[in-house]
This record gives sequence, C-alpha cells and structure tokens, in this order.
Amino acid sequence: AQKVTQAQTEISVVEKEDVTLDCVYETRDTTYYLFWYKQPPSGELVFLIRRNSFDEQNEISGRYSWNFQKSTSSFNFTITASQVVDSAVYFCALSNQGGSEKLVFGKGTKLTVNP
Amino acid sequence: DAGVIQSPRHEVTEMGQEVTLRCKPISGHNSLFWYRQTMMRGLELLIYFNNNVPIDDSGMPEDRFSAKMPNASFSTLKIQPSEPRDSAVYFCASSTHPGELFFGEGSRLTVL
Repeated sequence: AQKVTQAQTEISVVEKEDVTLDCVYETRDTTYYLFWYKQPPSGELVFLIRRNSFDEQNEISGRYSWNFQKSTSSFNFTITASQVVDSAVYFCALSNQGGSEKLVFGKGTKLTVNP
Repeated sequence: DAGVIQSPRHEVTEMGQEVTLRCKPISGHNSLFWYRQTMMRGLELLIYFNNNVPIDDSGMPEDRFSAKMPNASFSTLKIQPSEPRDSAVYFCASSTHPGELFFGEGSRLTVL
C-alpha cells in the first residue's frame, strides 16, 4: 500500500526563521515520484516540485530546498528565511505507479509565518 | 493564460437534491482529475480522465457520484441524491505532465 505521512499538523514560526516540513512515504514500487504542493489561503493547490525515485540529489529553488533520502523514505522540504507569504498548507504526495497520474497525498502541514 | 475554471465556487443545497459541479481544464492538458478535500479525510482522488476517457474511478464513493468528460474542454461531477456527508471542497485539476497538476479554486459544497 502507498502512504504519505506528514507528522507535523501545524507549525508556527517567526518571519526569517528557517523551517523544515517533514514527509515520510511508504511504497513497494521501485519506481515512483514524490511531489510537494502548496495550498495558500485562497484555496487552490500549487505544484512546487516533482522528484523521481532514482534521483536523490537535493534540489534548491530560491529559498526552497528539498532533501530526498531513500534510506529513510523521507522527502523533506525546507524554507529558508521564511516570509509571511509562505503561510499555507503544504502537501507531500506520492505517485504509486512511477510517473502515473494518480497521486496519494499526505494530510498536509499548516505553516503559519508570523511577522 | 486562464487556469482551471470551476463552477460554482459555492453551492448550498438540501439533502436529496442533485448537484452538478463543472470544470474547464487548461487548454492542451490531456488529463483531468476530480479531488475531494475534507478535514477528516484530506485530499482524495475521485476519478481521473486521460484524453477524455475515464482511467480510474476507484475513488468514487458510491453510485450517487458520476463524472463525465464529453470533450477536452469540459467535465462534470454529479451527485444525485446529495447527502450531508458529501459536504466538502471539490477540486478539479488538469495536467500534461504526470503529477504536475494545475488545480482550480475548488467548489465548496454544503449539503444541509
């Protein structure tokens, strides 16, 4: 069975702090994809990143970075120097058939960045 | 460019009534998804289409739910009859690359 666990339900930080959102996944597939999505207060989910199971290289995009470790089945997301506009619910997701369209989402982590 | 367009944004109805949610995907996207979001169950995939053909409807809760995609630019999700437990935000999403979904703003359904 495929499963994504985001143990942190809510996180609150002060602006400019770094924050890491945890994601642990379970799958029996050897080929799979991992994703992060952001859901701001406006409601629509926004795609942030896709990672395949063969690429464990860390990814950095501006203040965002992702750490993928197959040994611990984790795909953590770090926001450096957080800003109020980063306040949102963040979802980690797994595609269970290696590039398939069908995503299994975690329950999400609500991040609040206070000024 | 226009994103995924959903209507209505909000719907309040009474138990037993028929509800129809509509979605216009992004032009050129060949896959379309219907998701449901609730506090208890999170985001659940109900059904998805590829090139207008339903590929996986295993997430559709029961026969009261049905979805159609008559052409590449339009899809509907229908609930008949509606029940209070159907209250949720229903998202439509489209994509052209696996997993890279573009979501609409959602339709918030309240069934009284």
